[in-house]
Amino acid sequence: DAGVIQSPRHEVTEMGQEVTLRCKPISGHDYLFWYRQTMMRGLELLIYFNNNVPIDDSGMPEDRFSAKMPNASFSTLKIQPSEPRDSAVYFCASSLDGSGYEQYFGPGTRLTVT
Amino acid sequence: KQEVTQIPAALSVPEGENLVLNCSFTDSAIYNLQWFRQDPGKGLTSLLLIQSSQREQTSGRLNASLDKSSGRSTLYIAASQPGDSATYLCAFREGSNYKLTFGKGTLLTVNP
Repeated sequence: DAGVIQSPRHEVTEMGQEVTLRCKPISGHDYLFWYRQTMMRGLELLIYFNNNVPIDDSGMPEDRFSAKMPNASFSTLKIQPSEPRDSAVYFCASSLDGSGYEQYFGPGTRLTVT
Repeated sequence: KQEVTQIPAALSVPEGENLVLNCSFTDSAIYNLQWFRQDPGKGLTSLLLIQSSQREQTSGRLNASLDKSSGRSTLYIAASQPGDSATYLCAFREGSNYKLTFGKGTLLTVNP
């Protein structure tokens, strides 16, 4: 398996622009997670899905952030409008269902908002 | 709210040394914990997963322990190598929620 795939790997955009990050989880995994990593706050969970349904979005910072999972093999995280404080590395991870399964992370998307 | 602390924030050791990385948490109602490795500019690689009912897990030169009563986990690396240089993060899953709460990590440098 190719692992969790994220695109783009790097994104530079201007403040106010819409940004869309993409993720393809490992085939057969029922859970998908979106994380954000910054120097100040470390790794934080934004939202996670089970069988394409959002379960916990309490980590989504504001209404500018939205996430969708239209099918089992694809998810998007959208920021509209983007702000400089959104600059971070965004990771997608997936996991099998059941107790105690490990989360497998993608390589991340480094977002820079100028 | 679960808080996770990793000490030290950075560690530099000579090659061949055995070392211990520490992780502490505030809430004993954890479901499991994972230790991850993160190389610069890369994603996270899962190293070990310990269920709350277990005391330790081993993989090669790595051994992770869990003591819920004291709120601590340790990652032991035997005979360290320069290739072990990376940031090591611990993360806890809380109860039935699949959310992982991460520590800030320990930056390990193993000098040849």
